[in-house]
Amino acid sequence: DIQMTQSPSSLSASVGDRVTITCRASQSISSNLNWYQQKPGKAPKFLIYAASSLQSGVPSRFSGSGSGTDFTLTISSLQPEDFATYYCQQTYSTPGTFGGGTKVEIK
Amino acid sequence: QITLKESGPTLVKPTQTLTLTCTFSGFSLSTSGVGVGWIRQPPGKALEWLALIYWDDDKRYSTSLKSRLTITKDTSKNQVVLTMTNMDPVDTATYYCARWAGYQLLNWFDPWGQGTLVSVSS
Repeated sequence: DIQMTQSPSSLSASVGDRVTITCRASQSISSNLNWYQQKPGKAPKFLIYAASSLQSGVPSRFSGSGSGTDFTLTISSLQPEDFATYYCQQTYSTPGTFGGGTKVEIK
Repeated sequence: QITLKESGPTLVKPTQTLTLTCTFSGFSLSTSGVGVGWIRQPPGKALEWLALIYWDDDKRYSTSLKSRLTITKDTSKNQVVLTMTNMDPVDTATYYCARWAGYQLLNWFDPWGQGTLVSVSS
């Protein structure tokens, strides 16, 4: 199975900050990388596919980049509703493993 | 509007078999490229991919749980069923089902059901 490693596991940031989350695959996954957002007590919400393509309705302050083994999710100006846990998922091969998550907390 | 909802027991005993049903609407599991997957999340922990069934009845399983999992579909009822045998307290988690969709070689889970918390305890 392909292992997905996210860093950091948590971070504290203020409203308006630029936030970057990293996801690393144990082998090349091309651009087959998704990002999800999960708020406490809620199901994950799909944000980004193919490493950098925003799902319809996702604010443009979210962006993704990377290919091969290294990927990033960036929130350009953190908003109050963005405080949540973010997960990456590879879809290069099954099982489509998830990263361990990055919790974005209020500073 | 696409919706999915998980149903099943909230409490099972160790060694028992868990059966969960995902009932969905707004899409058909006979449409090419579509699938339904199961993902679980132990309290306070990360998401774990469990199983996926495709429109053509192809099935994929978690490598570590493959011997314990079975996924089936009933297209006429718009349901997908996941069974997990020999339940253990470490299997306590919220279990989600989600639609697997996309295009070409790009796929994703969207949307997700609300999840159902299953506790394993004697």
